[in-house]
Amino acid sequence: EAGVAQSPRYKIIEKRQSVAFWCNPISGHATLYWYQQILGQGPKLLIQFQNNGVVDDSQLPKDRFSAERLKGVDSTLKIQPAKLEDSAVYLCASSLGWREEGIEQFFGPGTRLTVL
Amino acid sequence: AQSVTQPDIHITVSEGASLELRCNYSYGATPYLFWYVQSPGQGLQLLLKYFSGDTLVQGIKGFEAEFKRSQSSFNLRKPSVHWSDAAEYFCAVVYNNNDMRFGAGTRLTVKP
Repeated sequence: EAGVAQSPRYKIIEKRQSVAFWCNPISGHATLYWYQQILGQGPKLLIQFQNNGVVDDSQLPKDRFSAERLKGVDSTLKIQPAKLEDSAVYLCASSLGWREEGIEQFFGPGTRLTVL
Repeated sequence: AQSVTQPDIHITVSEGASLELRCNYSYGATPYLFWYVQSPGQGLQLLLKYFSGDTLVQGIKGFEAEFKRSQSSFNLRKPSVHWSDAAEYFCAVVYNNNDMRFGAGTRLTVKP
């Protein structure tokens, strides 16, 4: 079974530029998550989708971050414009999304963003 | 507020020695509990999870964890550490709406 795919793996941009990350979850997983992991910290949830609807985006800085999952499968996360403090690893995860069996989240390798 | 605490930022153990990584959570009810491992440049890999039932759970790579309700703890253990276990370890809990909260992580260094 293929895992969660993310691209690119690394990205370096100047501050005030825009950047987009892509995630393809495990086939059949209804729930998709984007996390931000700053160096030395645990991952922090940015947004959670159930199919193509947003379940939780309370910690997403909506003035500069946006995310979509239009067809309920893959997803993109965008930052526009980027700030220095956005330097982090952006992790995508997916889960089946229902009952106890669906709670476990499977993580992609992440995209390491450096903002100069 | 709901939180997950990993008191040890960095732990160093000798290869072959035993290991215990601490995790405490704050929540009224029993959440779902997880331990993940992250090697440099990699995503998170699930070591083990606790939902209900037997409070001692076995995971992959020889790891186990024990849920103690009275102490709100879910400590990770391994009887004999291997050099390949050097990594970052994260405790995580799931509350409502599949909202997963992570601790800050414990970095494990293994001495030869």
